[in-house]
Amino acid sequence: QKEVEQNSGPLSVPEGAIASLNCTYSDRGSQSFFWYRQYSGKSPELIMFIYSNGDKEDGRFTAQLNKASQYVSLLIRDSQPSDSATYLCAVNTPYSGAGSYQLTFGKGTKLSVIP
Amino acid sequence: NAGVTQTPKFQVLKTGQSMTLQCAQDMNHNSMYWYRQDPGMGLRLIYYSASEGTTDKGEVPNGYNVSRLNKREFSLRLESAAPSQTSVYFCASSDGDEQFFGPGTRLTVL
Repeated sequence: QKEVEQNSGPLSVPEGAIASLNCTYSDRGSQSFFWYRQYSGKSPELIMFIYSNGDKEDGRFTAQLNKASQYVSLLIRDSQPSDSATYLCAVNTPYSGAGSYQLTFGKGTKLSVIP
Repeated sequence: NAGVTQTPKFQVLKTGQSMTLQCAQDMNHNSMYWYRQDPGMGLRLIYYSASEGTTDKGEVPNGYNVSRLNKREFSLRLESAAPSQTSVYFCASSDGDEQFFGPGTRLTVL
C-alpha cells in the first residue's frame, strides 16, 4: 500500500512569514514528487514538481526532496493571504507497467496566511 | 484551449439511480483519470486509462464503471448510486508526470 502522509493542519502563518509544509511517503520506488494547491471549491493545480534530491526554487516557492529519508517539503517565502489554500503532496510511481503512472495523494495541509 | 472539462458541475441523485459523468480533454493526452475527493480522505483514484482502449482499476473502483470513448473522452458511470458515493469527482489527464485536473462534479446521493 503506497502511502503519502501530511500534517492536516491548519497551519497558520502571518503575512510575510515563511510557510513550511511537509510530506513523507512510503514507496522507495517513487520517482517524481508534486505539490498541488487547491483553493476551496476548486480543482487542484500544480505549483511545483521535483525529481532529484536537493532543492528546487520557483519564485517564492522552494521544493525540497530527501529520498533517503522519504521526505518532501514545500517552503513558501513572503507568504501572502492569497496563498491560503490546501496544499496536496503527490507522489508518482509506476503502476502495472506499460508506461502508466499513478499519483498517490496525501490528504493535504490547510494553510492560512493571516494579514 | 479548454483543458479538461467535466459535466455536469452538480448533480443530485436518489439511491439506486444511475448516471454518467462526462470528461473531455483537448490537450491530446494519452492518460486520463477519475478521482473522488471526500473530506479528510484526500484524492483517491477510482479508475484510470493509460491510453485509448485501455482502462484499469485504481484504489476505490467498486460501484463504478468507466469507458474510454476515444482519446479525448473518458466517462465514469454509477450504475446504482449509493449515499457512500456522495463526493466531489475530478477527472484528470496527463502525458507524462504532470496531471491536469478538470473543475469537478459535486454529486449528492440521497
